[in-house]
Amino acid sequence: DAKTTQPTSMDCAEGRAANLPCNHSTISGNEYVYWYRQIHSQGPQYIIHGLKNNETNEMASLIITEDRKSSTLILPHATLRDTAVYYCIVRARIQGAQKLVFGQGTRLTINP
Amino acid sequence: DTEVTQTPKHLVMGMTNKKSLKCEQHMGHRAMYWYKQKAKKPPELMFVYSYEKLSINESVPSRFSPECPNSSLLNLHLHALQPEDSALYLCASSQLGRSIRREQYFGPGTRLTVT
Repeated sequence: DAKTTQPTSMDCAEGRAANLPCNHSTISGNEYVYWYRQIHSQGPQYIIHGLKNNETNEMASLIITEDRKSSTLILPHATLRDTAVYYCIVRARIQGAQKLVFGQGTRLTINP
Repeated sequence: DTEVTQTPKHLVMGMTNKKSLKCEQHMGHRAMYWYKQKAKKPPELMFVYSYEKLSINESVPSRFSPECPNSSLLNLHLHALQPEDSALYLCASSQLGRSIRREQYFGPGTRLTVT
């Protein structure tokens, strides 16, 4: 699986868009980009995933660059409840169970 | 129902005790996972069950013994643990097969303290 690099921490003001970058320069053609987050003392929560097209769901948007070497998770109107560690994971879609390898992630703090 | 439940929420055990952690899901998922998370570290995969059979063991010490009695339940049996095994133990589940929805759903975890 390709390695990912994320900033250790970020701050964002409540109500503003939070943009979380992720570098995955060694990503291969069949690997997807997944985002999970972990709010303090809870289990990780799936946010979104994509292959090469931009994706949007009720939680967030995922923008993947054309060369697929980096991506950005966008929380359009951040709230205090979005304070969490955000993990960017690159993983091939295989038939069997997925082995998620979590990196250190980005600790996002939403400030009032 | 998109919930994975884990019991107990907290567990304190001595090094000579035997205890079990339990995980349950009713989403029809056929893959179930155990992760271990030390303080201020990311989760690390321990075991994966696919169709109730152990498919991945990440070289976990034998004092941790997983069990998948049926497609909805996953247990982790603990015996002769060490203080360094104190951690948050997370259970997760996901679909298998040709499904396009492969994301993992995590439970809230069991916080284990070994004294």
